[in-house]
Amino acid sequence: GAVVSQHPSWVICKSGTSVKIECRSLDFQATTMFWYRQFPKQSLMLMATSNEGSKATYEQGVEKDKFLINHASLTLSTLTVTSAHPEDSSFYICSAGVPMGSYEQYFGPGTRLTVT
Amino acid sequence: GQNIDQPTEMTATEGAIVQINCTYQTSGFNGLFWYQQHAGEAPTFLSYNVLDGLEEKGRFSSFLSRSKGYSYLLLKELQMKDSASYLCAVKDSNYQLIWGAGTKLIIKP
Repeated sequence: GAVVSQHPSWVICKSGTSVKIECRSLDFQATTMFWYRQFPKQSLMLMATSNEGSKATYEQGVEKDKFLINHASLTLSTLTVTSAHPEDSSFYICSAGVPMGSYEQYFGPGTRLTVT
Repeated sequence: GQNIDQPTEMTATEGAIVQINCTYQTSGFNGLFWYQQHAGEAPTFLSYNVLDGLEEKGRFSSFLSRSKGYSYLLLKELQMKDSASYLCAVKDSNYQLIWGAGTKLIIKP
């Protein structure tokens, strides 16, 4: 089946620094990738949808200048959390899919970010 | 607005059967999904329904009624490892996934 990887799986950083999370589709080309955030005991919250070669579409309330998304190729999307603060500590999950017809999104294993 | 409702938490006994319900109100419908998520892990795909009826896959079955905006996930012969959150999600007319808050299932021996 389709495999999506994320790197790193966990990261601890100091407040004010930036962190980059990579999401890769290993055995298929993902024209669309989704970035989610999940706080403890809460459901997934879609942050943004990125399409290869175009700007990401951010959900309401998500700061696009703080959460930079780059989908430079059909197998790689990156999320950079800029000037991270403790409230950004969360579980970040990416998923990949083919739009308009694919019935499944393939999830990466997630990245746990802790900002101290 | 778009809304997906499922119970917050359910408890069941090992070896028993449990049904997790999901009701939805979305702008359009292009399929309903069930995902399993263990604590601290990413969701894993369980089932997909786009037509009315029951889809069976081993110990897990999923049912859909589009006219009622209703689905359920049925888990049989419960095992301790089935303790997890179960997420219901609907793909709307824009093919965007709308997620429910998830149902935490607790299995007791």
